Amino acid sequence: AQSVAQPEDQVNVAEGNPLTVKCTYSVSGNPYLFWYVQYPNRGLQFLLKYITGDNLVKGSYGFEAEFNKSQTSFHLKKPSALVSDSALYFCAVRDENQGGKLIFGQGTELSVKP
Amino acid sequence: KAGVTQTPRYLIKTRGQQVTLSCSPISGHRSVSWYQQTPGQGLQFLFEYFSETQRNKGNFPGRFSGRQFSNSRSEMNVSTLELGDSALYLCASSPGQGTLATEAFFGQGTRLTVV
Repeated sequence: AQSVAQPEDQVNVAEGNPLTVKCTYSVSGNPYLFWYVQYPNRGLQFLLKYITGDNLVKGSYGFEAEFNKSQTSFHLKKPSALVSDSALYFCAVRDENQGGKLIFGQGTELSVKP
Repeated sequence: KAGVTQTPRYLIKTRGQQVTLSCSPISGHRSVSWYQQTPGQGLQFLFEYFSETQRNKGNFPGRFSGRQFSNSRSEMNVSTLELGDSALYLCASSPGQGTLATEAFFGQGTRLTVV
């Protein structure tokens, strides 16, 4: 069965430090991987995606993610965190056998302190 | 270009009632998906519509239903509401066929509270 795991419920980082939000996945076909961010009382905003090609993908607001096929991981990273990055982050996967359906991880609350 | 519009933003209903939520996708997008977000279960897929046809369905009881109109607008209906149906319901739109590689665009959601 397809699944996504975000092993950390919360990540705390000091402003200016690098951040990593972890994600691992399990799909039967080729994975299409996405990261979304959610601010309080808002919908989800798209950050970046991996479809094929370069394992390091760059997205919005200085975020990037590294795809690792052997470890079935797609970790979100940012070299220097901002207080305004504090939000709920979701990793999601589409399985080519499941059409447009997105399977989400449980979410990771990122807290960036000044 | 306008984003995904969901109405209403907030709803309070009583157990046993039914509710209809509405979603207008981005202009030109033909695929609409619905998700339920709760603190305990996270984000769960409800269903997906493309060109007025349900293309995929999640693991929810038959009380949850949806439809899509010819203009791609979609509605979802929940009948015989239960307390556990309290959630943020999110609608997402995508261009249409062959959208595996295309990100979905989400609306701000409808916050449903069942009392």
